[in-house]
Amino acid sequence: DAGITQSPRHKVTETGTPVTLRCHQTENHRYMYWYRQDPGHGLRLIHYSYGVKDTDKGEVSDGYSVSRSKTEDFLLTLESATSSQTSVYFCAISNRDRDSYEQYFGPGTRLTVT
Amino acid sequence: RKEVEQDPGPFNVPEGATVAFNCTYSNSASQSFFWYRQDCRKEPKLLMSVYSSGNEDGRFTAQLNRASQYISLLIRDSKLSDSATYLCVVILGGSYIPTFGRGTSLIVHP
Repeated sequence: DAGITQSPRHKVTETGTPVTLRCHQTENHRYMYWYRQDPGHGLRLIHYSYGVKDTDKGEVSDGYSVSRSKTEDFLLTLESATSSQTSVYFCAISNRDRDSYEQYFGPGTRLTVT
Repeated sequence: RKEVEQDPGPFNVPEGATVAFNCTYSNSASQSFFWYRQDCRKEPKLLMSVYSSGNEDGRFTAQLNRASQYISLLIRDSKLSDSATYLCVVILGGSYIPTFGRGTSLIVHP
């Protein structure tokens, strides 16, 4: 299995509080992604990174920010959590090489906003 | 129309059966294709890439039909352990942003 960890694995927080989720990889992969997964919607891309300090928005980026200050860490921040952000969050990594592309996912963080 | 569409199922089959899923994509510039497997409450894991010529890995066969813009996954001799959700993934040429289908649920029963 690829070396990807996510922390925390579970979190319950109150509406309006800031929350930061961490993704850590030991594979030295260039690309990192944050997804959320909800029933009926499948996996939706929040933000992604294509290198240190290089990030961009995905399809559901409103209410989320990210930072990547070093290759191995990609942080997802909810500045002011809302109940609609209750979800399972997955981090993924990849190292696109020529025409090869595979993503490896972390174990997920289950976030509940009350 | 969604970019990547899958029948959500569930497909309910007995052990030993052969089952096939299709996934249609809307963008003809799509270049890379994959099937992922996701067990309940777990992360998605790569099952297999889909090559233009089709490819096989044990009981699993993946095929690509560019003319009709769909990929397929065939599972032969289904096992109880094959029960999972199967996600189709499509990537546009020159991009590193994948688009996921919502998944097809497979239940294999004794």
